[in-house]
Amino acid sequence: GQQLNQSPQSMFIQEGEDVSMNCTSSSIFNTWLWYKQDPGEGPVLLIALYKAGELTSNGRLTAQFGITRKDSFLNISASIPSDVGIYFCAGRMNYGGATNKLIFGTGTLLAVQP
Amino acid sequence: NAGVTQTPKFRVLKTGQSMTLLCAQDMNHEYMYWYRQDPGMGLRLIHYSVGEGTTAKGEVPDGYNVSRLKKQNFLLGLESAAPSQTSVYFCASSYSRGGNEQFFGPGTRLTVL
Repeated sequence: GQQLNQSPQSMFIQEGEDVSMNCTSSSIFNTWLWYKQDPGEGPVLLIALYKAGELTSNGRLTAQFGITRKDSFLNISASIPSDVGIYFCAGRMNYGGATNKLIFGTGTLLAVQP
Repeated sequence: NAGVTQTPKFRVLKTGQSMTLLCAQDMNHEYMYWYRQDPGMGLRLIHYSVGEGTTAKGEVPDGYNVSRLKKQNFLLGLESAAPSQTSVYFCASSYSRGGNEQFFGPGTRLTVL
């Protein structure tokens, strides 16, 4: 099955550092989503992007929908310990489609040292 | 609102045993999904439902069956568990229109010995 290429696989950073991760696909997507999964919990939506070139922020998080519609980026500024978790990108090809199915990336594990 | 709930949270099975995982949502969502999460693989769709009484196969449906008899519930069944089905299972739900946000449950960790 199709999965998105997400990098890096893991990151170990110091508190206060900025973080960048990205997701790429061989297919064009109409929607990009970024989720965070805390240990032992289900994924929670952070940011949704619906338009090529769109740049959206949610607090210290900023995500961009790539111009080619085949990639997306997530940046976290001034990281804090509670940012620890696994970050997943997800894409959908058909907005408003009958099934609303998402394709997920393989995840980026973020560890933040105080 | 409780959102999406899953039972049980943990389960250990022997090869060949059967079990059912229950997912419930109280957001009146039309769509519901079952995913499995394995290390380094992200989330893979097993089965999904676009409404009460309807189900469809996802990416990795073999060895699983599902039922959606009530709008708020989506059941995932394993008829004869295999060690390859050791995984963390997540249920999700969403509206049929508008945004794509899928709301996830807390997961069920299943080990098949």
